[in-house]
Amino acid sequence: QKEVEQNSGPLSVPEGAIASLNCTYSDRGSQSFFWYRQYSGKSPELIMFIYSNGDKEDGRFTAQLNKASQYVSLLIRDSQPSDSATYLCAVPYSGGGADGLTFGKGTHLIIQP
Amino acid sequence: NAGVTQTPKFRILKIGQSMTLQCTQDMNHNYMYWYRQDPGMGLKLIYYSVGAGITDKGEVPNGYNVSRSTTEDFPLRLELAAPSQTSVYFCASSYLRQGSTDTQYFGPGTRLTVL
Repeated sequence: QKEVEQNSGPLSVPEGAIASLNCTYSDRGSQSFFWYRQYSGKSPELIMFIYSNGDKEDGRFTAQLNKASQYVSLLIRDSQPSDSATYLCAVPYSGGGADGLTFGKGTHLIIQP
Repeated sequence: NAGVTQTPKFRILKIGQSMTLQCTQDMNHNYMYWYRQDPGMGLKLIYYSVGAGITDKGEVPNGYNVSRSTTEDFPLRLELAAPSQTSVYFCASSYLRQGSTDTQYFGPGTRLTVL
């Protein structure tokens, strides 16, 4: 069974700073990695998808993948109060050949104005 | 496009009752999924479907059943509700397998309490 580990936080970052969120995964065979943002009481929203080693940038968000270290991170530049949310890391689920995703418990990010 | 819709938004059940959570998508996605999210936890996969007439179990299928008679609809059935099924239930759909695509969407969720 794949496992995805995240520090639950809360992680508190001042407005305008860089927020760094980390995720480790147990299955070396994982090929793709997802970051979701979930506001309190809302559904998850996909914000980044990465499958190659290195960095992927999309606006203020950068995902970094290191398959050798089984580590994926999400950087949020110029953090805004609207970035305050729980960030979930996910990898493809493969229990018994099933489809879908395995999620970490999420990191609660607080951006302080 | 309404995207992925779920009904009801909230429901309180008594132990032993049954109910069906509805999920509909209007994006013509073949792949659909049911997850549950307990407080402070990540999402866990209950069931999934790769197309009409095809369903399979995920990580936590016990106590649930699904069917997929059309591309649009993927209802989740709870039989003999138990307090352990108190959770928020999310339906999702995707254009390709969820683990291989960024074209995927979650519904707004159904908050279920079993007392």
